[in-house]
Amino acid sequence: GNSVTQMEGPVTLSEEAFLTINCTYTATGYPSLFWYVQYPGEGLQLLLKATKADDKGSNKGFEATYRKETTSFHLEKGSVQVSDSAVYFCALSRGSQGNLIFGKGTKLSVKP
Amino acid sequence: EAGVVQSPRYKIIEKKQPVAFWCNPISGHNTLYWYRQNLGQGPELLIRYENEEAVDDSQLPKDRFSAERLKGVDSTLKIQPAELGDSAVYLCASAQGDTGELFFGEGSRLTVL
Repeated sequence: GNSVTQMEGPVTLSEEAFLTINCTYTATGYPSLFWYVQYPGEGLQLLLKATKADDKGSNKGFEATYRKETTSFHLEKGSVQVSDSAVYFCALSRGSQGNLIFGKGTKLSVKP
Repeated sequence: EAGVVQSPRYKIIEKKQPVAFWCNPISGHNTLYWYRQNLGQGPELLIRYENEEAVDDSQLPKDRFSAERLKGVDSTLKIQPAELGDSAVYLCASAQGDTGELFFGEGSRLTVL
């Protein structure tokens, strides 16, 4: 079946550190891939997405590249800020069905 | 533009009691989702509506859960009777088209004692 596996958290970093959150997927066909973020006290919101192999999604300094050969969609940011503290969810969607399948989430805490 | 609105934000009930959650999606969004998020887990789909039609309810425990979306706008999710294992956050989301971009509400946190 379709599934998403992301690295266990929590992840604690100092401000300006480099961030990587690993995400791998299992899916039939060619899914679209997403990163959603949940800031404290807020609802989930889309951070970035990629719809085909080798696409790079980017937003707010975060990037992720759709790697079909390794079935991965790792999230990266070169210099994190305290305001990036949140829970990050990797997700996939199988085309027109539109249903998102989420990973378990990775909590990021950034210390000043 | 108003986001997805859910109520109540928090609900504490005893097991075997009924509970209902309400969702008002973003205006014009024809697709509405109910997800359940257990502690430390990602959201899991319960039901998806296209307008007023439930097009995917395969993960909805139909013995105790029910949902409706009257007139293709607001939606209600009901649990009757609630069990201890139903304690979770119930998320409503809406979308327009099939881009995969869902807009989530803040969720309704249910505690069953």
